[in-house]
Amino acid sequence: DAGVIQSPRHEVTEMGQEVTLRCKPISGHNSLFWYRQTMMRGLELLIYFNNNVPIDDSGMPEDRFSAKMPNASFSTLKIQPSEPRDSAVYFCASTLTGTGGSPLHFGNGTRLTVT
Amino acid sequence: SQKIEQNSEALNIQEGKTATLTCNYTNYSPAYLQWYRQDPGRGPVFLLLIRENEKEKRKERLKVTFDTTLKQSLFHITASQPADSATYLCALDPLTGRRALTFGSGTRLQVQP
Repeated sequence: DAGVIQSPRHEVTEMGQEVTLRCKPISGHNSLFWYRQTMMRGLELLIYFNNNVPIDDSGMPEDRFSAKMPNASFSTLKIQPSEPRDSAVYFCASTLTGTGGSPLHFGNGTRLTVT
Repeated sequence: SQKIEQNSEALNIQEGKTATLTCNYTNYSPAYLQWYRQDPGRGPVFLLLIRENEKEKRKERLKVTFDTTLKQSLFHITASQPADSATYLCALDPLTGRRALTFGSGTRLQVQP
């Protein structure tokens, strides 16, 4: 099992540019989560999907952020236009949601730097 | 408002001692509480899960307690080793509402040889 795969590992971009982060969840998992981690705010939930359907996007900071899950094996998080305050590590995680208490499997994140 | 608090200051202990990390929460009714380990440059890795009706859970050198009256979980590592040095995060999983884990900010543990 390859685990959750995120790309790219590092992204450096200029303010105003579009950024797309990618995630491949573990095969067979039915829930996918996008988190953002910063020193100031810790690990924050942005959005999560269940069976490819967005369930809760209340953590998405603003309209500049969007996420899609076109199929069970792929998800994207897009920021357009990017701003310096978006600089953070973005994690994708997946799990098989059952009756509750399902542990999350995280990727190794994408470190985004917006200059 | 809902809050999860972990000691933001690093915990430094000597090899062989027991490390105890604290997770306090307010305005939550978690059905489950989970602990994760995070190493620099890596994503969090799941360690243990404890249910609201369980007082204690053990796995090898790890022990977790869950006191829903005090709204607190304690995470213990016995016979600590330098390889245990990492940041440890607690996460709450509610039974209703937003069914996604909410994480504390983590406590960094440094085990000195």
